[in-house]
Amino acid sequence: QVQLQESGPGLVKPSGTLSLTCSVSGGSIRSSSYYWGWIRQPPGKGLEWIGIIFYGGNTYYNPSLKSRVSISVDTSKNQFSLKVTSVTAADTAFYYCASHRRDVGSWFVDHWGQGTLITVSS
Amino acid sequence: QTAVTQEPSFSVSPGETVTLTCGLTSGSVSSTSYPSWYQQTPGQAPRTFIYSTNIRSSGVPDRFSGSILGNKAALTITGAQADDESDYYCMLYMGSGIWVFGGGTKLTVL
Repeated sequence: QVQLQESGPGLVKPSGTLSLTCSVSGGSIRSSSYYWGWIRQPPGKGLEWIGIIFYGGNTYYNPSLKSRVSISVDTSKNQFSLKVTSVTAADTAFYYCASHRRDVGSWFVDHWGQGTLITVSS
Repeated sequence: QTAVTQEPSFSVSPGETVTLTCGLTSGSVSSTSYPSWYQQTPGQAPRTFIYSTNIRSSGVPDRFSGSILGNKAALTITGAQADDESDYYCMLYMGSGIWVFGGGTKLTVL
């Protein structure tokens, strides 16, 4: 059973860079059945898909965030990471890492991290 | 840019059947949209409920079912119970590796 755990600073200054890491346990990040991704949720609001990465490096991003977001993978540590640049208060949210399982005829989020609240404030 | 639509809220009495829908502002939902549904209770991470249109995740009661109704994905609860009261989000595949969530439906059971 794949388990995911987010880590990173809870407070980021405006115009700074938000950096988060997701540690994967119970499975290999090199699995050909998985894409690894990030989803966020501003407090009291809905879910927003940020992007995904395949262990080989292919990335796909939400077009509305693409200019500020990057996702990378570290296969040696079984981790993947998120960076969001030029943050504003609108980037304040719970950030979830999530595994996107892909099989023949299916593709969906099957595991979620517990989420971490990132606040953008001076 | 195409958006995913959901009813903002729905109210149902215990024991009744309710159908939540997930559509597109442009075009139709199909099986290749890989519709999936997620349940979220306050203060918790979302939980995967239904994927690939109609496959229930492990542990999800069989009163929950997924389908395509017309040009939308649908989540039907047959015989709603009090602990079904939650937020429900659908997620659709837009192609080119891009996914979009709907705005979520707040389901009240009373």
